[in-house]
Amino acid sequence: KAGVTQTPRYLIKTRGQQVTLSCSPISGHRSVSWYQQTPGQGLQFLFEYFSETQRNKGNFPGRFSGRQFSNSRSEMNVSTLELGDSALYLCASSLSGPGRGNSPLHFGNGTRLTVT
Amino acid sequence: AQSVAQPEDQVNVAEGNPLTVKCTYSVSGNPYLFWYVQYPNRGLQFLLKYITGDNLVKGSYGFEAEFNKSQTSFHLKKPSALVSDSALYFCAVRDEGYQKVTFGIGTKLQVIP
Repeated sequence: KAGVTQTPRYLIKTRGQQVTLSCSPISGHRSVSWYQQTPGQGLQFLFEYFSETQRNKGNFPGRFSGRQFSNSRSEMNVSTLELGDSALYLCASSLSGPGRGNSPLHFGNGTRLTVT
Repeated sequence: AQSVAQPEDQVNVAEGNPLTVKCTYSVSGNPYLFWYVQYPNRGLQFLLKYITGDNLVKGSYGFEAEFNKSQTSFHLKKPSALVSDSALYFCAVRDEGYQKVTFGIGTKLQVIP
């Protein structure tokens, strides 16, 4: 079974631009979560989608948004990029849904975003 | 609000010795607990999860974790460390109410040959 696929692997953007990251979950997984990883802050939760509905949301500004499509693929968008947005963005899929919260997350290898 | 604490930024252990990576948690209600490992430039890989009623859980690559409800801890253990175990280890928790999965800050494990 193919794992979680994130594209692109690397991105370099300048301040003020916007960026869209893509995530394809494991086949059959309907839950997709996004995390921002930085050396000082660890993994910070962005949002979680299940069956195209946002189920949970982290404490990030409105510049960070996401969506999930009917095939469970997900995208996240960051507008008006700031230098502090430079990070590894990780996507994870799982069988989790209401009532299956103990299903583990399966992570992609991430998108490394550098904002200059 | 749920939280996870990993009190050690780094753990150093000699190859062949037992290792322990510590984790304590706070949730309302019963916890779903997990351990993940991350190698450089890669995503996180699932190692093991707590199963209700089992105080000692076995996982991948010879790792196990000890659950202690009274101390709200879920420490990761391995009887004999390998150099290839050197990586970043994350503890994570989710409560029964299907809140987000919260991760600890991570502990860097260094196994010395």
